[in-house]
Amino acid sequence: QKEVEQDPGPLSVPEGAIVSLNCTYSNSAFQYFMWYRQYSRKGPELLMYTYSSGNKEDGRFTAQVDKSSKYISLFIRDSQPSDSATYLCAMIVPQAGTALIFGKGTTLSVSS
Amino acid sequence: GAVVSQHPSRVICKSGTSVKIECRSLDFQATTMFWYRQFPKQSLMLMATSNEGSKATYEQGVEKDKFLINHASLTLSTLTVTSAHPEDSSFYICSAREGVMETQYFGPGTRLLVL
Repeated sequence: QKEVEQDPGPLSVPEGAIVSLNCTYSNSAFQYFMWYRQYSRKGPELLMYTYSSGNKEDGRFTAQVDKSSKYISLFIRDSQPSDSATYLCAMIVPQAGTALIFGKGTTLSVSS
Repeated sequence: GAVVSQHPSRVICKSGTSVKIECRSLDFQATTMFWYRQFPKQSLMLMATSNEGSKATYEQGVEKDKFLINHASLTLSTLTVTSAHPEDSSFYICSAREGVMETQYFGPGTRLLVL
């Protein structure tokens, strides 16, 4: 079992739809959770960063963490064609020298 | 958010030559820098972790003599692909972290093509 599982998609939605992206993990030592967005041929861009269970909202994006279920989600409201990208969940055990563990990424396509 | 730059953004070289890629944290001091490679339509694969002033820690299967990493200062890390071959062609991305409790910020990536 991989440490972080993420459905690669692709996920296609019409403009204006609500998008739900999810990851599950197996290591209960993960304490910090991130969502990155990566456009083709670009480096990942940090979207959301959370460290506690519950919801965190930033504009059209909401990150949700459920540590008891080892499940995290990213919701995108009023999706736009510019949201078309690959979304990577990532998490980390906060110790010196440790690196982020990434999911495989979900490819999202928003059509106008 | 913090900014990480990479140079060059794209490089084409002949087989057998060495290529150096620079990664800089522009507005923060990065105690730890990471190097990833990414093949088309695949996720990021961690190659190595480097802490300023110490030797890099390489992931299993990554040849440390082929991928030389130097983290000479708190704002600069370099990856040198030695004696590059076509199979080394990939997208190389660095990231940097200010402290253990901080998140990682990524550079824009370097696309390497070895002919």
